[in-house]
Amino acid sequence: DGGITQSPKYLFRKEGQNVTLSCEQNLNHDAMYWYRQDPGQGLRLIYYSQIVNDFQKGDIAEGYSVSREKKESFPLTVTSAQKNPTAFYLCASSIRGAGASTDTQYFGPGTRLTVL
Amino acid sequence: AQTVTQSQPEMSVQEAETVTLSCTYDTSESDYYLFWYKQPPSRQMILVIRQEAYKQQNATENRFSVNFQKAAKSFSLKISDSQLGDAAMYFCAYRRLQGAQKLVFGQGTRLTINP
Repeated sequence: DGGITQSPKYLFRKEGQNVTLSCEQNLNHDAMYWYRQDPGQGLRLIYYSQIVNDFQKGDIAEGYSVSREKKESFPLTVTSAQKNPTAFYLCASSIRGAGASTDTQYFGPGTRLTVL
Repeated sequence: AQTVTQSQPEMSVQEAETVTLSCTYDTSESDYYLFWYKQPPSRQMILVIRQEAYKQQNATENRFSVNFQKAAKSFSLKISDSQLGDAAMYFCAYRRLQGAQKLVFGQGTRLTINP
């Protein structure tokens, strides 16, 4: 089946530890995105990547890092520098990322990160 | 910077009735896209409907339709014949036509369907 997968579904981290969230897509989409969702709020963009080996900061990139070594994969690392990392993290992808006339972002099932 | 506002934190409707969710946005651009996403209890974001700003005709998808008022910067979602499966958080989102492809989301509206 084509789609976006995120793992794990639930993740627990101790303070001071880095943790990496996985996002994989087999839709042959060019662009991928990471959003954060806090209770009572909409989604906010952390990082996005329009092509392999290139990515840009979103609105709340501090304390996070990403890589885009393969078209299919866009892992997100939550570092110890992120002061309040407990949140729901959603990955998305779209068919074209640069100046596209029409593209829609499709979302994965999300990862719930809790810092203990 | 663009902003999206959903002024109704919660809405409820009787099953089989019609409900309208409100969304307003602020932008200085003339071309852009607007979206409604649904987030059920599973928390996966599901695209409901999309509107291109350059199209005057309102988008429709089965029981879902929008009322797009470009001058008023308003983008409401109408759900007809509401079903129990429509219960979810609904998010309005804005995206620029060119440049950065990020979505700007509203705060969401929680929709409850009463049987």
